[in-house]
Amino acid sequence: DADVTQTPRNRITKTGKRIMLECSQTKGHDRMYWYRQDPGLGLRLIYYSFDVKDINKGEISDGYSVSRQAQAKFSLSLESAIPNQTALYFCATSESGLAGEARGSGELFFGEGSRLTVL
Amino acid sequence: GQNIDQPTEMTATEGAIVQINCTYQTSGFNGLFWYQQHAGEAPTFLSYNVLDGLEEKGRFSSFLSRSKGYSYLLLKELQMKDSASYLCAVRDDYKLSFGAGTTVTVRA
Repeated sequence: DADVTQTPRNRITKTGKRIMLECSQTKGHDRMYWYRQDPGLGLRLIYYSFDVKDINKGEISDGYSVSRQAQAKFSLSLESAIPNQTALYFCATSESGLAGEARGSGELFFGEGSRLTVL
Repeated sequence: GQNIDQPTEMTATEGAIVQINCTYQTSGFNGLFWYQQHAGEAPTFLSYNVLDGLEEKGRFSSFLSRSKGYSYLLLKELQMKDSASYLCAVRDDYKLSFGAGTTVTVRA
């Protein structure tokens, strides 16, 4: 089983619908992230969380919200989906500061991605 | 904020060497990462540099010059399976910011 699991893996929805993408991890990491990926634009950070109840905006948070109610779970919501939110969404985790620094990296571990299409 | 630039596409022949450059301008720096991403899949970690110099890991090497805001990823003895996107990413105190990625196509 994957250490970082995203559901659903694929979703087609209509404009105006509410959508939730869920992420769960078994790595025991404190830090979790949501990125979206669009062709030619790379990965852009939507929100990140360093602990339960800690929420921080990334570079493109408008139109999105998140919830971190347990260390292992970080969900992303689109309250009213629009077509330009069609993208591939990735959840990622990393070790917290001291542990990450001790290992010398703090690299990200990604889920398998959730492909969202908004019609 | 972060500004990270890398070429969009590169093509090379099987068995050859390819160098992917990455330049960055950042408000903070705590390391540079390279990730590999095959189409439709998640990125996977390749290398990490936080000090100037060359890090070698098998067929892949990564170089960093912090004073120049420059890194490169060197892929040697190219194989068909190396056809993928390569993502340069810079870490500040809190998060990783990514370049748009370089798509490498390996031809027989």
